[in-house]
Amino acid sequence: DTEVTQTPKHLVMGMTNKKSLKCEQHMGHRAMYWYKQKAKKPPELMFVYSYEKLSINESVPSRFSPECPNSSLLNLHLHALQPEDSALYLCASSQVVSSYNSPLHFGNGTRLTVT
Amino acid sequence: DQQVKQNSPSLSVQEGRISILNCDYTNSMFDYFLWYKKYPAEGPTFLISISSIKDKNEDGRFTVFLNKSAKHLSLHIVPSQPGDSAVYFCAASATTGNQFYFGTGTSLTVIP
Repeated sequence: DTEVTQTPKHLVMGMTNKKSLKCEQHMGHRAMYWYKQKAKKPPELMFVYSYEKLSINESVPSRFSPECPNSSLLNLHLHALQPEDSALYLCASSQVVSSYNSPLHFGNGTRLTVT
Repeated sequence: DQQVKQNSPSLSVQEGRISILNCDYTNSMFDYFLWYKKYPAEGPTFLISISSIKDKNEDGRFTVFLNKSAKHLSLHIVPSQPGDSAVYFCAASATTGNQFYFGTGTSLTVIP
């Protein structure tokens, strides 16, 4: 069982829809991440939150909007997506962002299809 | 610019034999290295890590070796089991940085 829980597992949305992906962890981790992964590619970093503040935004289009309501929750709000945004969206957490001896723990992801 | 590379997209090994997965990196500031295993429809699972002050770390059947001068690390799985069949990603980070860099993955198939 993964200690990082993501919902929903699958999502199909049209290009005009608004939807949200949710992520929750109860390991007391203070860093949370959104990654995007396409088939046969490595995970691609989108956003990093450290102590509930956005610390990295990897030039992600504004149609993706992250939110960290508290230290256990991370959301990704989606609006006006394109078909090329279809991918596996992974949430991860780590004890802290400084990363040394603080591995990422991933959820099982949300498989997003944009039609 | 791929700072972490896994040059073998796939590897097949007989059950009971050793699996060796390789990873190369270009950034000399990297000092923390990890291996993840990924099954289809699941997120990557952390397997084992090594810091740059060591050249070897063992955890059960899994051993990671680090050669800093060659900027190369490898994961050895002994003995390999069919349940080890998955995609393996290596990742690296610098303590002065704030993110992990992933390789492109190697798909391991262990043949019963």
